[in-house]
Amino acid sequence: QQQVRQSPQSLTVWEGETAILNCSYEDSTFDYFPWYRLFPGESPALLIAIRPVSNKKEDGRFTIFFNKREKKLSLHITDSQPGDSATYFCAAVGSALGRLHFGAGTQLIVIP
Amino acid sequence: GPKVLQIPSHQIIDMGQMVTLNCDPVSNHLYFYWYKQILGQQMEFLVNFYNGKVMEKSKLFKDQFSVERPDGSYFTLKIQPTALEDSAVYFCASSLLTGNYAEQFFGPGTRLTVL
Repeated sequence: QQQVRQSPQSLTVWEGETAILNCSYEDSTFDYFPWYRLFPGESPALLIAIRPVSNKKEDGRFTIFFNKREKKLSLHITDSQPGDSATYFCAAVGSALGRLHFGAGTQLIVIP
Repeated sequence: GPKVLQIPSHQIIDMGQMVTLNCDPVSNHLYFYWYKQILGQQMEFLVNFYNGKVMEKSKLFKDQFSVERPDGSYFTLKIQPTALEDSAVYFCASSLLTGNYAEQFFGPGTRLTVL
């Protein structure tokens, strides 16, 4: 059973637009949700993360909105830039040993 | 930022052979992880490792898999013997701390193709 789901699989936006990447999860014991970004040929890197005590986490152009009741979250990228083109992975953690559960990723393309 | 290295980047082997994937974690990190990503699917947790021991493993961590970090050198994933379904990208990660909020730093992955 897939614990973390992401949509859309692929997203294309124009430069300057806001990209919205969606994520949902199954396990209500998950209590930490990091987003990782992967550029081709590089390593996945932590972008931003949220804990369920908050319903919003902002870092520059990147904002996570979190809805605990619906077990959904979304990553908003405002003023999208071509350099934001990458694959974005939503993940969830519920284990004291740090086991990450990943979604399948959203491939974002930002057109200049 | 801190870098995790993985060697090799690509490996092609025949089914039934042994393969060892090498990970050079961040130097002062204590916790180590392997994840497996089959093409088009999500990354899935295989195992985590601390102080010379497997702390947690998933159902994907078959009996043919083993991990070790001899003398604080590379953290390795060994598959013996390999099977066709082992073809995937294997990501290594490390963290200084453990727990829900500990940041895991990932390597670029090793693409394993089993023929």
